[in-house]
Amino acid sequence: EDKVVQSPLSLVVHEGDTVTLNCSYEVTNFRSLLWYKQEKKAPTFLFMLTSSGIEKKSGRLSSILDKKELFSILNITATQTGDSAVYLCAVATGANSKLTFGKGITLSVRP
Amino acid sequence: GAVVSQHPSRVICKSGTSVKIECRSLDFQATTMFWYRQFPKQSLMLMATSNEGSKATYEQGVEKDKFLINHASLTLSTLTVTSAHPEDSSFYICSARLDLSLSTDTQYFGPGTRLTVL
Repeated sequence: EDKVVQSPLSLVVHEGDTVTLNCSYEVTNFRSLLWYKQEKKAPTFLFMLTSSGIEKKSGRLSSILDKKELFSILNITATQTGDSAVYLCAVATGANSKLTFGKGITLSVRP
Repeated sequence: GAVVSQHPSRVICKSGTSVKIECRSLDFQATTMFWYRQFPKQSLMLMATSNEGSKATYEQGVEKDKFLINHASLTLSTLTVTSAHPEDSSFYICSARLDLSLSTDTQYFGPGTRLTVL
């Protein structure tokens, strides 16, 4: 059975802090790893990673994948209250790119 | 770009009735759409994969006769919860996958439908 584990499950930081969110996986037929941000409703897409060691960046967010050790991290620098959300990690597998999600990390950024 | 809509956003129904939820990709074509279910404080659980013009593929433990999926066009998939019961109350989210060679794994999610069965 495919498994995606995220840690920590929740995190409280102050504005301006840097956070690192972790995602490890054990799956068959790996295709890619994706990060999503979920605020109240549906998840919004952040990154898709397919190659090891290549960092993807978007503003204050960045992410990297290690396919040898089977994990990914999502970094957020200079956090803002608007970064408060649940961050979901998902792994795409198989011909249909089925996504298996982790339980999510609840990030709370205090002013 | 890559906008997915869902309708209705919220529905309350009586036990025993059927409810239909629509999922549309607004600005792209999606050969494949997915239906998820999310319970409070839990992650998304895939229910089924919907392929345009063919039968849906259901995940283990999901009753295909209870959750009917139809993907009649490249921009529309529907999920019908038949004979709904209170335990079917949940947040149902659909997603659509961009059919481009560079990003075939990225799924874009609709805003979700909150179903409450009384």
